[in-house]
Amino acid sequence: SQELEQSPQSLIVQEGKNLTINCTSSKTLYGLYWYKQKYGEGLIFLMMLQKGGEEKSHEKITAKLDEKKQQSSLHITASQPSHAGIYLCGAQGAGNQFYFGTGTSLTVIP
Amino acid sequence: GAVVSQHPSWVICKSGTSVKIECRSLDFQATTMFWYRQFPKQSLMLMATSNEGSKATYEQGVEKDKFLINHASLTLSTLTVTSAHPEDSSFYICSALPGWRPEQYFGPGTRLTVT
Repeated sequence: SQELEQSPQSLIVQEGKNLTINCTSSKTLYGLYWYKQKYGEGLIFLMMLQKGGEEKSHEKITAKLDEKKQQSSLHITASQPSHAGIYLCGAQGAGNQFYFGTGTSLTVIP
Repeated sequence: GAVVSQHPSWVICKSGTSVKIECRSLDFQATTMFWYRQFPKQSLMLMATSNEGSKATYEQGVEKDKFLINHASLTLSTLTVTSAHPEDSSFYICSALPGWRPEQYFGPGTRLTVT
């Protein structure tokens, strides 16, 4: 199975602060996805990265995939309470299964 | 396009009863669907891979006799939690894999509470 370790496990930041969440894989990634979720609700797709060194941005969120394609980071600039939730990285396994990272719970204090 | 629905969105059942959760791909056919469960403050864990017309493949540690999966058509997979117990209370999400691209599409989830 694809093992995806996220750090930190949880994060509490003051509104307006920047933050970074990391996702590390035990294997080379051929597609790395980032989702946001609140427990008990569906997944919100954020971004997908495929190429080594690729970087994508949407509004205040930037995701990067390293050259070796084993680590990705998600950076939020000037965090807002609306950014609070669980952030999950995910990747496709060999048999089309999709595995999620361990998750990062983000709390933004107004 | 590529919408996946789940029914019900939430269900409460008594301990010892069985509950069925449906996952439907509304506008595409999916030979493969997946079932995940999530506990509070935890990530989503893959439970099983549901293949149309064949037996599901379960991840290690998932009881196949407790979580029955049926993928009877190209647009419907069902997960039945048999003899449910309070520890089965969780959030269950399905996803469907369309044939034309490797990306999965996720359902909105079903919250199960066993009393």
